[in-house]
Amino acid sequence: RKEVEQDPGPFNVPEGATVAFNCTYSNSASQSFFWYRQDCRKEPKLLMSVYSSGNEDGRFTAQLNRASQYISLLIRDSKLSDSATYLCVVKKDLGAQKLVFGQGTRLTINP
Amino acid sequence: EAQVTQNPRYLITVTGKKLTVTCSQNMNHEYMSWYRQDPGLGLRQIYYSMNVEVTDKGDVPEGYKVSRKEKRNFPLILESPSPNQTSLYFCASSLVGSGNTIYFGEGSWLTVV
Repeated sequence: RKEVEQDPGPFNVPEGATVAFNCTYSNSASQSFFWYRQDCRKEPKLLMSVYSSGNEDGRFTAQLNRASQYISLLIRDSKLSDSATYLCVVKKDLGAQKLVFGQGTRLTINP
Repeated sequence: EAQVTQNPRYLITVTGKKLTVTCSQNMNHEYMSWYRQDPGLGLRQIYYSMNVEVTDKGDVPEGYKVSRKEKRNFPLILESPSPNQTSLYFCASSLVGSGNTIYFGEGSWLTVV
């Protein structure tokens, strides 16, 4: 079983739709959680951190469920520019910088 | 401008011909790391370094070497490249500690024939 698992998609949704991605992680000792965005043939960039209480950044909402070892990302009112691959990322402990990446979920927003 | 710079960005090479992919950061970060990205497998860590002269293996270190003689540079060395090392490689850096953003280089596309 992979340490971090995501549905690879692809997801094709119309502009303006709401789309949700899910991610599960296997290591219950994981401490920090993130969503990264990666455009085609480009480097990953941090989209947002995920906090236990849930957090929102504009049209993006991230949720963490430690009991179920589950992370989600919700995108509301999707834009064409949201088309990208979204990577679920888990950091194992607070001191080290080791990140474990999911394989990514590919999203295409259609006009 | 804060950045992580990798070179070369694109390379086609032949099996067994030693090559080095350079990585340099201008943010005075202690931590640097190399990842490879392959379809269906996501990003996997090759090696990382917590500071000068401190390096350690990641999840897929076989066939690679690294060095950290200076804080800003973290080259990735393929002593004898093989076709299964054809991949997209990313260098990354950050300050050490939780909550610090990791910055990635633009990636190096490597093909070994």
